[in-house]
Amino acid sequence: QQPVQSPQAVILREGEDAVINCSSSKALYSVHWYRQKHGEAPVFLMILLKGGEQKGHEKISASFNEKKQQSSLYLTASQLSYSGTYFCGTAFFAGGTSYGKLTFGQGTILTVHP
Amino acid sequence: GAVVSQHPSWVICKSGTSVKIECRSLDFQATTMFWYRQFPKQSLMLMATSNEGSKATYEQGVEKDKFLINHASLTLSTLTVTSAHPEDSSFYICSANPTHKNTDTQYFGPGTRLTVL
Repeated sequence: QQPVQSPQAVILREGEDAVINCSSSKALYSVHWYRQKHGEAPVFLMILLKGGEQKGHEKISASFNEKKQQSSLYLTASQLSYSGTYFCGTAFFAGGTSYGKLTFGQGTILTVHP
Repeated sequence: GAVVSQHPSWVICKSGTSVKIECRSLDFQATTMFWYRQFPKQSLMLMATSNEGSKATYEQGVEKDKFLINHASLTLSTLTVTSAHPEDSSFYICSANPTHKNTDTQYFGPGTRLTVL
């Protein structure tokens, strides 16, 4: 079942902050965040495992609320290079052949202007 | 580390021909690789899961006889689009799951843009 991302699009000026949410109606095992530039493949940002952890990567961090089955990606002091489409990919621990399979949200388009 | 390559990066073919796309993990082994297609401004739609040494697992609605997948080694998976038609035109992306990391993190290849005339 496809996770739901919000908002669908965000427009920022350099230096501003943004939050992108990813919600699932099904119990999650892990959440993966990727950024995709136009015409290119998605680039892995970070993975969060169930347990409610929070991670950081330079000025980009994320949290995973297991109870709410929701993850949020935080972009602080945005840079022009942050522009792109952000996807969350969710994994549902089912074991066996389902291991590793990700279901991606519809994407959030982030545009950062000078 | 964790580099995945795809070949070709783009291909234009005539309707009715077959096209093979290669996906290679360059610096790690991958028991499992995934094939996605992506239409403009849309999300990544999983087509199939490719497992080394066994048959691929196809998602519902994906024709296994049309999209042939072969995962002959721990570093190579191929997708062959047979008897391609204009509606098969899309951006095909593979990803690989590093066997040694024991997580479901996927690393994506650069994608192959297929145009069927």
